[in-house]
Amino acid sequence: DAGITQSPRHKVTETGTPVTLRCHQTENHRYMYWYRQDPGHGLRLIHYSYGVKDTDKGEVSDGYSVSRSKTEDFLLTLESATSSQTSVYFCAISEIETGELFFGEGSRLTVL
Amino acid sequence: GENVEQHPSTLSVQEGDSAVIKCTYSDSASNYFPWYKQELGKRPQLIIDIRSNVGEKKDQRIAVTLNKTAKHFSLHITETQPEDSAVYFCAASRNNNDMRFGAGTRLTVKP
Repeated sequence: DAGITQSPRHKVTETGTPVTLRCHQTENHRYMYWYRQDPGHGLRLIHYSYGVKDTDKGEVSDGYSVSRSKTEDFLLTLESATSSQTSVYFCAISEIETGELFFGEGSRLTVL
Repeated sequence: GENVEQHPSTLSVQEGDSAVIKCTYSDSASNYFPWYKQELGKRPQLIIDIRSNVGEKKDQRIAVTLNKTAKHFSLHITETQPEDSAVYFCAASRNNNDMRFGAGTRLTVKP
């Protein structure tokens, strides 16, 4: 599992509330990613990080922010959750040498 | 940015038959093409990948072909088994930060 854990694994929240998802890795990987998975859309990149305090936007970043204050933790925040953000969120790290992505187990978020 | 199209969206085959999933990409600079398998309720996992300097790669019952001129690549699974049933995603990228995924193919192998 490349030492990746996500929390929480399941969350139900109401529209307008803030939500933070946490990704923790134990193998000192430089690159970390947040994807969302929705039927018919595959996996879409939200934000990624290439080091502590170094982050950048992906293809679906609106409504999301991220932070990386330590190598091992990459946080995804929904400042004010909307129903369109109901999804399964996957954190991933990449092996620099190969480019292979290793995914966490996913976090299912439901916004009512 | 890169755009990856994947077909078909669903595929049903009899056990023992072959399955083929096709993807096209738009960015001619893309040079890495992985395939991920996702079983129900699980995380996606890499099953095979190919780089732009290679036209074909095989690993037991799984093979991937790449046509850079036409910008398409395909996954071939031979002698399918029920445990091959899953959702398969193709992807394309040219660096670590822009991997784009296809929408996925749900493969069902009927015993």
